[in-house]
Amino acid sequence: DQQVKQNSPSLSVQEGRISILNCDYTNSMFDYFLWYKKYPAEGPTFLISISSIKDKNEDGRFTVFLNKSAKHLSLHIVPSQPGDSAVYFCAASSAGGTSYGKLTFGQGTILTVHP
Amino acid sequence: DAGVTQSPTHLIKTRGQQVTLRCSPKSGHDTVSWYQQALGQGPQFIFQYYEEEERQRGNFPDRFSGHQFPNYSSELNVNALLLGDSALYLCASSLDTGRGKTQYFGPGTRLLVL
Repeated sequence: DQQVKQNSPSLSVQEGRISILNCDYTNSMFDYFLWYKKYPAEGPTFLISISSIKDKNEDGRFTVFLNKSAKHLSLHIVPSQPGDSAVYFCAASSAGGTSYGKLTFGQGTILTVHP
Repeated sequence: DAGVTQSPTHLIKTRGQQVTLRCSPKSGHDTVSWYQQALGQGPQFIFQYYEEEERQRGNFPDRFSGHQFPNYSSELNVNALLLGDSALYLCASSLDTGRGKTQYFGPGTRLLVL
């Protein structure tokens, strides 16, 4: 049972344009969402997060949007740069019960930004 | 400020052997979680250690065990290795002031089982 899904395995974008990466979840107990970027041979690097009490969080070129009713979140990168080319993972956690912040990840989306 | 460190970076073992992976958390963090990432997949939660106790476990067999030391560093042990245990093993640390907080990952240990 895949509780977090990234349905686009890959995305190709021109430098300077917007990149939009999408993520869907099924577990309504999730209340904290994160995006990580991963380069080959490195561990995931934290990018940005959002709590379920918000619908938008912005940090520089990165903005995450959360639509709780649709159980959907997206990451917008504007403007995209060639250095943004990496695998992007969406992750979710729940603060309730005995979850202790365990992260559940999507399968990842490979972003390629062309010069 | 040192981030999360892991050792070794790469490891080759044969089926049936045992392996120990090590992790030092980010300075100031007290919680360590371990994840397994198979090729082409997202990381899968193995277990989490806090106050030297395993307090949550994912869907992994008992062959996977761990330990947390008083300085918050942690070890992941895998016994009776199978070919399917070949993966990238990631350690993540966080601060347990409330749940659902950001976890920071180390570079991982690439394990190959032959």
